[in-house]
Amino acid sequence: EADIYQTPRYLVIGTGKKITLECSQTMGHDKMYWYQQDPGMELHLIHYSYGVNSTEKGDLSSESTVSRIRTEHFPLTLESARPSHTSQYLCASATPRSSGARITDTQYFGPGTRLTVL
Amino acid sequence: KNQVEQSPQSLIILEGKNCTLQCNYTVSPFSNLRWYKQDTGRGPVSLTIMTFSENTKSNGRYTATLDADTKQSSLHITASQLSDSASYICVVSDRGSTLGRLYFGRGTQLTVWP
Repeated sequence: EADIYQTPRYLVIGTGKKITLECSQTMGHDKMYWYQQDPGMELHLIHYSYGVNSTEKGDLSSESTVSRIRTEHFPLTLESARPSHTSQYLCASATPRSSGARITDTQYFGPGTRLTVL
Repeated sequence: KNQVEQSPQSLIILEGKNCTLQCNYTVSPFSNLRWYKQDTGRGPVSLTIMTFSENTKSNGRYTATLDADTKQSSLHITASQLSDSASYICVVSDRGSTLGRLYFGRGTQLTVWP
């Protein structure tokens, strides 16, 4: 069982507010990810990190920012929330593992944060 | 364009029945394919992962198959239980190493009725 946590689980805020979504993992994984998921839709990668002080933007354009000061912590920040940011945000971490002759990553997901911006 | 398509979009079955979910992909070069189970309001949980050389993999009542030639995978659920109600997501990776990129399907929403 993976140990990856997200807080808050649910958040309702007004337009223009600054928010930070927290994500922590206790497994010592170097790789961490943030995904955005709307109901009935696929997950979209918005940010990822391959280690401390490493952050990259994902495939989906996002107005959020991330930081990776510690291995276990990967917070996501919205400076000024808008209704278009309403979505579910999922954090994941990964570690390489052997599968036969190949090395693959196994991603472990947190429970998600359901964000509603009014 | 790399894509992952799942069918059906939703499925309702009675408790105890079997079902099969489908996944077609165009991701290339292929590295591995995973099936995840996502309960409502929760993060996805990995069920199986298969690389190019693996045709089938089981995890309890879940059995995944992979045909890398036709780029198709299926997830078979045996003797369904109410707790199987969830979204099942097919995920394909185009590389198995540091630069691995994941492509997600939209999922099949399975509902198991008593």
